[in-house]
Amino acid sequence: QSALIQPPSASGSPGQSVTISCTGTNSDIGGYNFVSWYQQHPGKAPKLMIYEVTKRPSGVPDRFSGSKSGNTASLTVSGLQAEDEADYYCSSYLYYKNLVFGGGTKLTVL
Amino acid sequence: QVTLKESGPALVKPTQTLTLTCTFSGLSLSTSEMRANWIRQPPGKALEWLARIDWDDEKFYRTSLKTRLTISKDTSKNQVVLTMTNMDPVDTATYYCARMGPKWELDYWGQGTLVTVSS
Repeated sequence: QSALIQPPSASGSPGQSVTISCTGTNSDIGGYNFVSWYQQHPGKAPKLMIYEVTKRPSGVPDRFSGSKSGNTASLTVSGLQAEDEADYYCSSYLYYKNLVFGGGTKLTVL
Repeated sequence: QVTLKESGPALVKPTQTLTLTCTFSGLSLSTSEMRANWIRQPPGKALEWLARIDWDDEKFYRTSLKTRLTISKDTSKNQVVLTMTNMDPVDTATYYCARMGPKWELDYWGQGTLVTVSS
């Protein structure tokens, strides 16, 4: 159960777009469309932002979008806002019926 | 309204066994397709999936911790319990319980409980 690979940090100015990548293998991201993304503010529990690669739960702004190509999934945050500054984690279904997280990316809004 | 709440000791000594309880409200553990998970996060580090118990009592564990973890549920109390044996300072972390939806997403989380392992 090796962690999915995320860049440790990402940044952008208010209004800009930023994309965070999450790289796995054929046993997780590449083999299934069960990628999720979570936002975590300091001292808080993670919050689901994207599931099934591209879907947003009710209440999540459409500034957040997800995609996948091969073994790499991506989260794009458009129109960056100050409150988007947080840690972001990806997760994926992992054969067989397991779950694996990424190492997390700290998003800074400049 | 769905809520999950973790409870357990804030401090355990090395070699002791940790027992954590997650109480679900607004969701029934006996519902078909219900999957309950435990995840932990050491201070300043990433999330780490630990274990899951499904509605049919099937259980799954993180490979590296499999020998130390036991997950169980009490549907009458709507609770999920995680035990971890032989605790070590490296196990110091915030422990979360979370419900897993049908697309393997963790859609409901507890607030987390910080467990410190120290003598």
